[in-house]
Amino acid sequence: KTQVEQSPQSLVVRQGENCVLQCNYSVTPDNHLRWFKQDTGKGLVSLTVLVHENDKTSNGRYSATLDKDAKHSTLHITATLLDDTATYICVVGDRGSALGRLHFGAGTQLIVIP
Amino acid sequence: DMKVTQMPRYLIKRMGENVLLECGQDMSHETMYWYRQDPGLGLQLIYISYDVDSNSEGDIPKGYRVSRKKREHFSLILDSAKTNQTSVYFCASSSRKLNTEVFFGKGTRLTVV
Repeated sequence: KTQVEQSPQSLVVRQGENCVLQCNYSVTPDNHLRWFKQDTGKGLVSLTVLVHENDKTSNGRYSATLDKDAKHSTLHITATLLDDTATYICVVGDRGSALGRLHFGAGTQLIVIP
Repeated sequence: DMKVTQMPRYLIKRMGENVLLECGQDMSHETMYWYRQDPGLGLQLIYISYDVDSNSEGDIPKGYRVSRKKREHFSLILDSAKTNQTSVYFCASSSRKLNTEVFFGKGTRLTVV
């Protein structure tokens, strides 16, 4: 059973618009949550990591929130650029150490058009 | 320069042939991983290695084996490849620090015909 669900599956926005990506999970325990960006044909690049209940992070035009009670995270991208076109993957770690497992969502495919 | 390097990037093999996928990292990370990524699914863990000769099965180890003889290298071997092993394979590495970042290679696209 999928333990990390992302929505929407795909999203098209115009350059300059904002967008919000959702991640719901059932992983227990949920030690941390990380958002990755995957360009087509490339590997995953970490955008941000959230660890604590009600954590909020900001990394340039990317910002993320985590609600551990609701097991829910959002990734906000403001003023989108064409280079933001990629798949965004939500990953939940069940431990803080390498002994834990990473649980991957299937990703949201974002397409930014001119 | 922190990097995970995978070779080859693209590979086509016939069913029944042996396949060797190589991965290297230059960060002296203890932990390394092999995942596969299929359309519509999240990455699935094949094997994890905690250090040299300290390897554990992941969630889908059947049909695969691994080798880690040096900390910086982690190989994935498919003995007698099957068509359902057509996929994109990702190697990753991380240190043992808490909540440390995981670094991914660019992937190897394997097609088994």
